[in-house]
Amino acid sequence: EIVMTQSPATLSVSPGERATLSCRASQSVSSNLAWYQQKPGQAPRLLIYGASTRATGIPARFSGSGSGTEFTLTISSLQSEDFAVYYCQQYNNWPLWTFGQGTKVEIK
Amino acid sequence: EVQLLESGGGLVQPGGSLRLSCAASGFTFSSYAMSWVRQAPGKGLEWVSAISGSGGSTYYADSVKGRFTISRDNSKNTLYLQMNSLRAEDTAVYYCAMLSVVVIAIPGHPFDYWGQGTLVTVSS
Repeated sequence: EIVMTQSPATLSVSPGERATLSCRASQSVSSNLAWYQQKPGQAPRLLIYGASTRATGIPARFSGSGSGTEFTLTISSLQSEDFAVYYCQQYNNWPLWTFGQGTKVEIK
Repeated sequence: EVQLLESGGGLVQPGGSLRLSCAASGFTFSSYAMSWVRQAPGKGLEWVSAISGSGGSTYYADSVKGRFTISRDNSKNTLYLQMNSLRAEDTAVYYCAMLSVVVIAIPGHPFDYWGQGTLVTVSS
């Protein structure tokens, strides 16, 4: 099973600043990597798929990069509504969907 | 607008059974694969099961294989998860999710839309 490892576990950022989240796969997942945002009490929301393609309606301040085993989610200028937990997910190898443990982005 | 509404959660004793439902609207249900994903309290996300658009192919995580059964009724636009032999570690919010593909293949596809979830608590 592919293990997805996210870092850091918690990221403290001031509004307006840039946030960089990392995700590492235990073996190559090509570009079959997605990012989700989850706010307290809410369902996850798809942000990025194919490592770098924004899902419908996702603001341009969210961007994804990487391939193989190393991936990054960047939020260029944090807005108040962006404070949440972010999960990466691979869908390249069986079992087809494994998630990282999440990175919490909190207000500094 | 895609809408997914889960129901059927609740408190059940260890060894008991429960059936979850997910009512779908806003899209042609039979044209999309569906999945269940769970989240234990305060924990991360865990994929549970998936089913193709026709219902002819089903997939399970090892942690639930042999205990859970996924199914769908395309005439009722509804997804189901029959959960038997429940354990304390099955306690979680269960989400249904839609994939924008009809067939599940490798490489796969992310979960495009999610419902709000239903809480299952397994406790005596």
